[in-house]
Amino acid sequence: GAVVSQHPSWVICKSGTSVKIECRSLDFQATTMFWYRQFPKQSLMLMATSNEGSKATYEQGVEKDKFLINHASLTLSTLTVTSAHPEDSSFYICSVTPNKGEQYFGPGTRLTVT
Amino acid sequence: AQSVSQHNHHVILSEAASLELGCNYSYGGTVNLFWYVQYPGQHLQLLLKYFSGDPLVKGIKGFEAEFIKSKFSFNLRKPSVQWSDTAEYFCAVTINTGTASKLTFGTGTRLQVTL
Repeated sequence: GAVVSQHPSWVICKSGTSVKIECRSLDFQATTMFWYRQFPKQSLMLMATSNEGSKATYEQGVEKDKFLINHASLTLSTLTVTSAHPEDSSFYICSVTPNKGEQYFGPGTRLTVT
Repeated sequence: AQSVSQHNHHVILSEAASLELGCNYSYGGTVNLFWYVQYPGQHLQLLLKYFSGDPLVKGIKGFEAEFIKSKFSFNLRKPSVQWSDTAEYFCAVTINTGTASKLTFGTGTRLQVTL
């Protein structure tokens, strides 16, 4: 498998501020990472595919100017939620795919916007 | 685009009962199929996967799944569940393109095992 960490695990921010979430691949170099969003008691929805050294690919309906993704190195991708609002409160999860098939997930970051 | 259906939203079983969770996908081409489990308060973990070969796949913790291509199904089974199997189970599929590809998840099935 692969080991993925996320930081922070939980963050509370005020409406209108920005929050950065880090996703790290700890034991291999990930050219591709995925960002998901999970609402309580619901499934994961893919937000975007993060590509090292190039622009992220966003899913339909995901605002790229609101959810900024930077994949500056082979072990780190960041998701910045800009001008956060209460409806952005959710569980954000990243994954890596070492074998171009299966994905391994981070522990997630719970964002609460007040 | 492919989609994944899990018809059982909430399943309650007694310990030692047998389990079968349904999963159907809609895509006519070659797919990779997965079952993930999310224990309370924990992150997603891979239970088992199917890429090719024997359609009966064995995973961790006594779980298995059978790929039936004609039915577009990949049902998860366990002969005898334990209280510790209480969790959310997600079926997922990727299109087999040979490159890193996107996972499409089903809506999940919450399994509750009672003592």
